[in-house]
Amino acid sequence: TQLLEQSPQFLSIQEGENLTVYCNSSSVFSSLQWYRQEPGEGPVLLVTVVTGGEVKKLKRLTFQFGDARKDSSLHITAAQPGDTGLYLCAGDNYGQNFVFGPGTRLSVLP
Amino acid sequence: DVKVTQSSRYLVKRTGEKVFLECVQDMDHENMFWYRQDPGLGLRLIYFSYDVKMKEKGDIPEGYSVSREKKERFSLILESASTNQTSMYLCASSPTGLAVTDTQYFGPGTRLTVL
Repeated sequence: TQLLEQSPQFLSIQEGENLTVYCNSSSVFSSLQWYRQEPGEGPVLLVTVVTGGEVKKLKRLTFQFGDARKDSSLHITAAQPGDTGLYLCAGDNYGQNFVFGPGTRLSVLP
Repeated sequence: DVKVTQSSRYLVKRTGEKVFLECVQDMDHENMFWYRQDPGLGLRLIYFSYDVKMKEKGDIPEGYSVSREKKERFSLILESASTNQTSMYLCASSPTGLAVTDTQYFGPGTRLTVL
């Protein structure tokens, strides 16, 4: 069973700061997704990365898939209180199974 | 917009009770999923279904069963609830014929407490 680890587990920052959260595994994934889950809601997909080394930008969010397809990072520039939530990564093992990491809980203070 | 709804946001049951969690999606998706979410463990797949009357075990099916009689509805059943099944239950659906590889749309979750 593939495992995804996420770090840090918790992160509390001030509005306007930059941050990076990480998703790591010893396994190779065919694609990797990032979700954000707000309190009381289900996760919502932010992005899917499919190519090793790929970088995708979504406004202030930058997602990178590692060259070896074993890790990914999410960088947020100038964080805002609306970015608060649980950030989950999820990896697809070439259609065989799909595994979620435990998440990074981000709190952005005004 | 895709909408996935779950029958209850909060549910409190007693040990040994039979529990039904209902999920409905309105986008004609083939695939539907049930997960449980526990702090520090992320989402763990209980069961999924890729067609009506079809079901596949996920990573933690023990103590659960599912039913999919109609394409839009996927039910999770706890035959005899136990305290270790206290958790947040999330339903999801996705549009393609592949089992787990496409974008999943999640419902708001049901927080189940078993006393």
